[in-house]
Amino acid sequence: EVVLTQSPDTLSLSPGERATLSCRASQSIRSSYVAWYRQKPGQAPRLLIYGGSSRATDIPDRFIGSGSGTDFTLTISRLEPGDSAVYYCQQQQFGISSVYTFGQGTKLEIK
Amino acid sequence: QVQLQESGPGLMKPSETLSLTCAVSGGSITSNWWSWVRQPPGKGLEWIAEVYHTGSTTYNPSLKSRVTISMDNSNNYLSLRLTSVTAADTAVYYCARHIAVPGTRGFDFWGQGTLVTVSS
Repeated sequence: EVVLTQSPDTLSLSPGERATLSCRASQSIRSSYVAWYRQKPGQAPRLLIYGGSSRATDIPDRFIGSGSGTDFTLTISRLEPGDSAVYYCQQQQFGISSVYTFGQGTKLEIK
Repeated sequence: QVQLQESGPGLMKPSETLSLTCAVSGGSITSNWWSWVRQPPGKGLEWIAEVYHTGSTTYNPSLKSRVTISMDNSNNYLSLRLTSVTAADTAVYYCARHIAVPGTRGFDFWGQGTLVTVSS
């Protein structure tokens, strides 16, 4: 099973700054099988990025997904107070065992 | 707009069998894969299983022996059955739709979730 490790666990930034969230896989994975989600307290996760780098419907271009192999990044520019949330990466293992796994999450706080 | 609505028992006792349903409206259930995901209080997300309208399924190996996922194509709903529950199964359970873009992965619509608490 592929393990996703996100870093940092918590990130505290100011409005207008840029956030860089990392997601490292325990083995090489298909970039098109990587997704990113944002979850605010008491809400369901919301898809931000699918297929590694495609923005979901209504997601602004401040959100950029990138990466390949074992290292993937979600970059959020021009941070807004509403970006405060926990962010999760997700992947599906390609092959016989098509298991999905999530990272443990990065909590982004906007000061 | 696709909407998903989970329903479940709320409170259960250890060793009981959990049955959840997810009603899908605003779209056909036969156009996508569908999954169940759970989240223990204050913790991260855990994928449980996926299903397609043909009956194809995939399970998380850590839960496979206790889980059954299914769907009712005629009535547009998904189901999840989890046997022999323990306190470790206490979580918010979500149903989610897989995005239908070939060659990519992501869950583009989620239900609001239903909290299941297992306690004696």
